[in-house]
Amino acid sequence: DAKTTQPPSMDCAEGRAANLPCNHSTISGNEYVYWYRQIHSQGPQYIIHGLKNNETNEMASLIITEDRKSSTLILPHATLRDTAVYYCIVRVGGGTSYGKLTFGQGTILTVHP
Amino acid sequence: EAQVTQNPRYLITVTGKKLTVTCSQNMNHEYMSWYRQDPGLGLRQIYYSMNVEVTDKGDVPEGYKVSRKEKRNFPLILESPSPNQTSLYFCASSLAHSTSYEQYFGPGTRLTVT
Repeated sequence: DAKTTQPPSMDCAEGRAANLPCNHSTISGNEYVYWYRQIHSQGPQYIIHGLKNNETNEMASLIITEDRKSSTLILPHATLRDTAVYYCIVRVGGGTSYGKLTFGQGTILTVHP
Repeated sequence: EAQVTQNPRYLITVTGKKLTVTCSQNMNHEYMSWYRQDPGLGLRQIYYSMNVEVTDKGDVPEGYKVSRKEKRNFPLILESPSPNQTSLYFCASSLAHSTSYEQYFGPGTRLTVT
């Protein structure tokens, strides 16, 4: 699976959009971009994933650049409850290792009042 | 409610005393996995199972055993725990043939081995 690079920490004001970047310059054509988050030692929580098109769900939006070498997770209206470690993960969507998630260090997002 | 449960949530034990951490899911998922999380090392996969009676090693399997006799359960066994297995453990599950491969994680088990 491709390696990802994320900033170690970011701040965001409550009610504003939080834009979390991720670089994955070695991504392969069959690799998906996934985002998970972990709130204070709880189990990681799935947020969103995509292959090459931008995606949106009730939690967030995922913007993937055209060359797929980077992506941005957008939390449109951050709340204090969004304070967490956010992990960007790149992995193959199938095959024998499809289930394995390789977590890096992630980005600590702090939402402040 | 769809969920992954783990028991116990907290455990303090002594070196060499065999223990089992249970994991159960109610979503009929084929795939289950165990991770451990340590400061500065992130989450690392210990073992995984693609289906009943099918298990394989992850990145850090040494000192652990697993079994998958039923689809819903995937216990993690430490036959002779050592202090370096003090960690936060997570069980996860997902559908095996889903394009989203969204994994559901349990609440975690904090293990301390003295």
